[in-house]
Amino acid sequence: DAKTTQPTSMDCAEGRAANLPCNHSTISGNEYVYWYRQIHSQGPQYIIHGLKNNETNEMASLIITEDRKSSTLILPHATLRDTAVYYCIVRVAGSPQGGKLIFGQGTELSVKP
Amino acid sequence: EAGVTQFPSHSVIEKGQTVTLRCDPISGHDNLYWYRRVMGKEIKFLLHFVKESKQDESGMPNNRFLAERTGGTYSTLKVQPAELEDSGVYFCASSRGTHEQFFGPGTRLTVL
Repeated sequence: DAKTTQPTSMDCAEGRAANLPCNHSTISGNEYVYWYRQIHSQGPQYIIHGLKNNETNEMASLIITEDRKSSTLILPHATLRDTAVYYCIVRVAGSPQGGKLIFGQGTELSVKP
Repeated sequence: EAGVTQFPSHSVIEKGQTVTLRCDPISGHDNLYWYRRVMGKEIKFLLHFVKESKQDESGMPNNRFLAERTGGTYSTLKVQPAELEDSGVYFCASSRGTHEQFFGPGTRLTVL
C-alpha cells in the first residue's frame, strides 16, 4: 500500500502556481520523497525528489516540512500541458528491495485557461 | 538519447493465448522495472532486474507471468495463458542509478 495521502483532485488557473500537498506521516529517516506525474495515456514521468532539504529543478520545487511528515510540490507557472495525475511516493533508495515505486491514487490536477 | 521503448503498443488476444511484451531500456541502464495498471486500479510494481538478475519479483501476480532479461539488455514479459484480468497497461522503466526511473509509453493489453 502507498504510504502517502494526497487530495484526489485539484484545479489551477493557467499561469498561476500549482501547489500539490502530500502527507507521509510514517516516513522513515532513510526514505526519500519522489514526485512523478502521468499525462493521459503516457508513461509516468519523474519530476523531482528530496530527502529533507527543499529541492528545485527546471520543472518544479519540492518543499519538505522540517519533521518530514508532509511535502508540497510547486509548479511555479502552470500551463495546460501540466494537466496530469501527480503521484507522491516515499521510497528507500539504494537498497536491494528499494527499487520499486509504490503508486497511490495521486492527485488529478486540472489546469484551466 | 533514445528513451525507453516498448513493443507492441497495443495487443488484443483471446483468453488462453500467449502474449510476449518487449521492453528496450535506455542504453547503459542496468536497472529495469515492469509495472502494470489494470482497469480502475493503481499502477503496481511487478519486478525489478539489475542487469540480467531478478532483484525483486515480489509483485509478479502468479506463475503465468514470466520475465526475462537475457544479456542484461532488453527484457520480455510473457503471459501464458492470458486471463481476462490481465487486461491493462504494462509499463517498463529503466534507471542508471537509484533515483530517477524513465518510463516507456506502455503496452495496452486487451484479453477477450
